[in-house]
Amino acid sequence: GAVVSQHPSWVICKSGTSVKIECRSLDFQATTMFWYRQFPKQSLMLMATSNEGSKATYEQGVEKDKFLINHASLTLSTLTVTSAHPEDSSFYICSAHGTSGDLYNEQFFGPGTRLTVL
Amino acid sequence: GDSVTQMEGPVTLSEEAFLTINCTYTATGYPSLFWYVQYPGEGLQLLLKATKADDKGSNKGFEATYRKETTSFHLEKGSVQVSDSAVYFCALTNFGNEKLTFGTGTRLTIIP
Repeated sequence: GAVVSQHPSWVICKSGTSVKIECRSLDFQATTMFWYRQFPKQSLMLMATSNEGSKATYEQGVEKDKFLINHASLTLSTLTVTSAHPEDSSFYICSAHGTSGDLYNEQFFGPGTRLTVL
Repeated sequence: GDSVTQMEGPVTLSEEAFLTINCTYTATGYPSLFWYVQYPGEGLQLLLKATKADDKGSNKGFEATYRKETTSFHLEKGSVQVSDSAVYFCALTNFGNEKLTFGTGTRLTIIP
């Protein structure tokens, strides 16, 4: 149990286009999901906290108009990178926060999405 | 702000060797401490955690003790296996916050 999927696992796009990444909790509900960015040989950097039914909370320095987050249901959050540029190329990872039973107060991570912007 | 510092890798050990990966933290209050593991091609998984000083987290032969006096949470295993090859992340949460602050990760490779 407690599986989180991401789609796609990798994507290559042209500069100026938008890319949508999906994060799904497959067997549990998550009112809160998190989006991270990971640069090569560096740590995970929290970008934003996605709350079901409300606006996402962005970390300092993260452009909310650039990285659009929608948490439309208790099992799905999406991250859209708008007008992507090569500097947006990175590994994006989501996590879903368990809220009940054995899953309480633990984050479960997706496998990540590799974005390459040409 | 809160931060986590862990030893840089990569770390390469022979099978059955003793493992230590150092982790220290800077945080106000009383953080909870975590070790996550990322196997090749997979997402991060919680390996173990400790929520208060002197607690010892353990799982799969790995252990880490929450040392408030030295602000450390070093990961140890007495005898590593090839299957332990992965990237290990030390992390913390604070003030009951769900947000995780991660260290940079340590890549561990175990050779037969």
